[in-house]
Amino acid sequence: AQRVTQPEKLLSVFKGAPVELKCNYSYSGSPELFWYVQYSRQRLQLLLRHISRESIKGFTADLNKGETSFHLKKPFAQEEDSAMYYCALRGSGANSKLTFGKGITLSVRP
Amino acid sequence: SAVISQKPSRDICQRGTSLTIQCQVDSQVTMMFWYRQQPGQSLTLIATANQGSEATYESGFVIDKFPISRPNLTFSTLTVSNMSPEDSSIYLCSVRNGIRSTEAFFGQGTRLTVV
Repeated sequence: AQRVTQPEKLLSVFKGAPVELKCNYSYSGSPELFWYVQYSRQRLQLLLRHISRESIKGFTADLNKGETSFHLKKPFAQEEDSAMYYCALRGSGANSKLTFGKGITLSVRP
Repeated sequence: SAVISQKPSRDICQRGTSLTIQCQVDSQVTMMFWYRQQPGQSLTLIATANQGSEATYESGFVIDKFPISRPNLTFSTLTVSNMSPEDSSIYLCSVRNGIRSTEAFFGQGTRLTVV
């Protein structure tokens, strides 16, 4: 079975503060990990994926297989980062489903 | 990328009735999915819509309650049958293009309230 855990529901920080959104997963094989974001009144969209190893909007996430984690980080939060963030996992099979965590609301205050 | 149009965006329905949600994609896609997001919960996969054959349902979801159609590679419908207040949720259509494609695209969702 595959499972994604986001232990916090809400993170509130001031603009310019560092952000870390936690994500832990459970999967016996080699998973693909993603972060999806939903801004207010917009649809869910992909933010980044671990295989790309890229920084998107200043966010990065490193897959730590030893700790089975995929935390999302940004050194300096901006107000426009305020949104709902979901960590997701897809298994290694071609038709594997996408499993989501419960999501966390990031609120960046001015 | 894929642009997904989902209708209706919201509805309020009487218990015991059924609602059909439509998902239209602007290009042919290999895989289409239906998710449910109950209040305060994560997205849960209901089923994979298969073109020309019966949908593949996840544990806890059955065809009688959530019949799905997919007549072609750009369109699918999800029906929520014999609704009860527990069916109040956001229903999302999602697509992925290509067997090896990793990115999933989502519709804007249908917010259903059953009274």
